[in-house]
Amino acid sequence: NAGVTQTPKFRILKIGQSMTLQCTQDMNHNYMYWYRQDPGMGLKLIYYSVGAGITDKGEVPNGYNVSRSTTEDFPLRLELAAPSQTSVYFCASSSSVNTIYFGEGSWLTVV
Amino acid sequence: GESVGLHLPTLSVQEGDNSIINCAYSNSASDYFIWYKQESGKGPQFIIDIRSNMDKRQGQRVTVLLNKTVKHLSLQIAATQPGDSAVYFCAENKGRNTGFQKLVFGTGTRLLVSP
Repeated sequence: NAGVTQTPKFRILKIGQSMTLQCTQDMNHNYMYWYRQDPGMGLKLIYYSVGAGITDKGEVPNGYNVSRSTTEDFPLRLELAAPSQTSVYFCASSSSVNTIYFGEGSWLTVV
Repeated sequence: GESVGLHLPTLSVQEGDNSIINCAYSNSASDYFIWYKQESGKGPQFIIDIRSNMDKRQGQRVTVLLNKTVKHLSLQIAATQPGDSAVYFCAENKGRNTGFQKLVFGTGTRLLVSP
């Protein structure tokens, strides 16, 4: 039972570069989320999706984009990476009656 | 504004002791709270949740207490073990009755368990 799978685990980006963090879940959950966690802090919601084809902004969406073409996949796109985007990124999913399950995290450094 | 916060950033206990981690919330309308455990280098793991129509809920070695009068939440871990060492977050779910879970996280409390 894989749950929520994120790739890559670690990545170093140069300022201005772009990249996509991949996320997939095998639990047939409707809801998917992207959070970021800065050092010593709690998680902040970047974007979420309530189903395929539907996405919406969370607390800190600037500098990011998402898409949800299938139930399973919810990639997070960083355009024009900035040092402020250095963080740990967590993808998560939930069903309508269940709590959120998190992936293992993706450590991103922008230099 | 609304916030979910924690009283202590670090809690150090001896193995076998009981641990109590506290959390305060400011939105009296909040009706669902979750505790997560996050081990180093990993994603948060669900521990236990509680709805506002309850004062207490028990799991395996863990108990969550909710005091709505003072807007306070606590997580009690019985017979703390070295494997319990982690950062613990309380989270308030703002996606009420919609299935969608919009969590607001506190900053976390680090629990250190000494053998």
